[in-house]
Amino acid sequence: ILNVEQSPQSLHVQEGDSTNFTCSFPSSNFYALHWYRWETAKSPEALFVMTLNGDEKKKGRISATLNTKEGYSYLYIKGSQPEDSATYLCAFMRAGNNRKLIWGLGTSLAVNP
Amino acid sequence: NAGVTQTPKFRILKIGQSMTLQCTQDMNHNYMYWYRQDPGMGLKLIYYSVGAGITDKGEVPNGYNVSRSTTEDFPLRLELAAPSQTSVYFCASSLTTEAFFGQGTRLTVV
Repeated sequence: ILNVEQSPQSLHVQEGDSTNFTCSFPSSNFYALHWYRWETAKSPEALFVMTLNGDEKKKGRISATLNTKEGYSYLYIKGSQPEDSATYLCAFMRAGNNRKLIWGLGTSLAVNP
Repeated sequence: NAGVTQTPKFRILKIGQSMTLQCTQDMNHNYMYWYRQDPGMGLKLIYYSVGAGITDKGEVPNGYNVSRSTTEDFPLRLELAAPSQTSVYFCASSLTTEAFFGQGTRLTVV
């Protein structure tokens, strides 16, 4: 059974705070790790797709790191804004698995103004 | 370029009725997926397809059927709707990297 676990389940921060979440995934047969942002009443949108151990990706105030050997990825948000409020999902793609994504349950972030 | 188009957005079905959720993508993606999302359960894969003419079961295929006669279209069929199929359904497609999602269908079976 492949499990992708995300922590924390939910998070409330004040505007301007920096925060980070964790995604844990199986360390064997790694192909890719995806991060998505899912706003309420919308559909998930890709933030990052990471494939190499040690990868670091950045998009504005959001960045992510990847450790495939130990099976974890961190997502960082610097200076959180109310518009960052969303659920952040990670998904693991195993090598040779027909591009199927195995999804975590997400971290729900609420940024208070 | 519309991306992934999913219809309808909302639907109420009576137990035992059938319906088809439509999904079309115009990005020439090989891979297409159907997910359902239930509160506290995350995205669960129902069926997926790696190309036209090829489909395979995901984690929760019971009660559903799919077809992939063209690259663009990947409809999901519910033959005998049951209350357990009340959920939000998402279609997605991908080429080699990230998945692109449709806007979702909120289905209620009463």
